[in-house]
Amino acid sequence: QVNLLQSGAALVKPGASVKLSCKASGYTFTDYYIHWVKQSHGKSLEWIGYINPNSGYTNYNEKFKSKATLTVDKSTNTAYMELSRLTSEDSATYYCTRNWAFDYWGQGVMVTVSS
Amino acid sequence: DIQMTQSPSSMSVSLGDTVTITCRASQDVGIYVNWFQQKPGKSPRRMIYRATNLADGVPSRFSGSRSGSDYSLTISSLESEDVADYHCLQYDEYPYTFGAGTKLELK
Repeated sequence: QVNLLQSGAALVKPGASVKLSCKASGYTFTDYYIHWVKQSHGKSLEWIGYINPNSGYTNYNEKFKSKATLTVDKSTNTAYMELSRLTSEDSATYYCTRNWAFDYWGQGVMVTVSS
Repeated sequence: DIQMTQSPSSMSVSLGDTVTITCRASQDVGIYVNWFQQKPGKSPRRMIYRATNLADGVPSRFSGSRSGSDYSLTISSLESEDVADYHCLQYDEYPYTFGAGTKLELK
């Protein structure tokens, strides 16, 4: 069965960076793009961007271009998203999800930015 | 960016009700609209894809429809397990954009 397993919650200081992981199983990792989504305050969702695990090609929402960096490690079927220069506005839950259809989602990871 | 204007933002409902949630797209997105259900502390779950198609395992009381730039999710005969937040998504054009969400609450 398809599963996307995300790393645990993170508490990070303002100005720091954090790297979130999303480990895929149950399907051929390189066959489906991985998308990342931000959810602030438990309500609205924002699309951050996607990565093609086969080629490494990325496409970002302009809003997150200087904030997020997407990478993959094909040897471990894992996608990563690094968030840089964190502020309180980056405190949110972040999800990875598969494919344009958003058919499978990770469990989400809560990032808290606080000194 | 394409705006998905979702309404209502919240709705007070009773078991057995028929509930309709709507998203209006600011420009043509064709059939590329999904609907998601989200319960507290959980990930979104895809309910409808390509505007009208029921996702695997979703009860048949859920349905999606399109009228021009208006996309609707209808829940017939609401059950307690359907009380949740619902989100629409357009994936016709980057950046993909979501509606602001609708919260269903029991009366």
